[in-house]
Amino acid sequence: DGGITQSPKYLFRKEGQNVTLSCEQNLNHDAMYWYRQDPGQGLRLIYYSQIVNDFQKGDIAEGYSVSREKKESFPLTVTSAQKNPTAFYLCASSSRGQGGNQPQHFGDGTRLSIL
Amino acid sequence: GQNIDQPTEMTATEGAIVQINCTYQTSGFNGLFWYQQHAGEAPTFLSYNVLDGLEEKGRFSSFLSRSKGYSYLLLKELQMKDSASYLCAGWLTGGGNKLTFGTGTQLKVEL
Repeated sequence: DGGITQSPKYLFRKEGQNVTLSCEQNLNHDAMYWYRQDPGQGLRLIYYSQIVNDFQKGDIAEGYSVSREKKESFPLTVTSAQKNPTAFYLCASSSRGQGGNQPQHFGDGTRLSIL
Repeated sequence: GQNIDQPTEMTATEGAIVQINCTYQTSGFNGLFWYQQHAGEAPTFLSYNVLDGLEEKGRFSSFLSRSKGYSYLLLKELQMKDSASYLCAGWLTGGGNKLTFGTGTQLKVEL
């Protein structure tokens, strides 16, 4: 079945540690996105990529890094510079249809907590 | 930046109809998406409106007025499983396929 796979489902980070969240899709989508969701808040865009080897900062990119070496994969690293990393992280992908009217499909998310 | 506003919470009765409103700044917006998100799960796509008017999909319908910066999601024949958060998201012109999400409306369906 086609879809988006995020791993792990739960992740714990120690002080000063970088952690990487995995996102893989087999939908042949060009565009991929990372969002952060905090309780009672909407989704906030961290980074997005519309094509391999290219990505742009979203609204809250500080303390995060990404890479897009393969079309299927868009890993997110939460660095030690991100002082408040506890949140629900969602990865999404979409095709690059004309006019931007292609819906984004989401993975099941990774819940990150600080130890 | 662009703001998307929707009510924080709503409560409705099983079998009834509920309308969830969403307003947005008209400049820079070119289409509205609605997503459903159950607690702890991924959002799932419900509908997309780019032209004025009503789009109907079974028990769910979505309406858009571009001139008024207004959209609503209409849920008919409510079921308990419809209890979820409903996210309104706007597509920004010139922003590729980037969406701006509202904070979501938490709908509680009661007996």
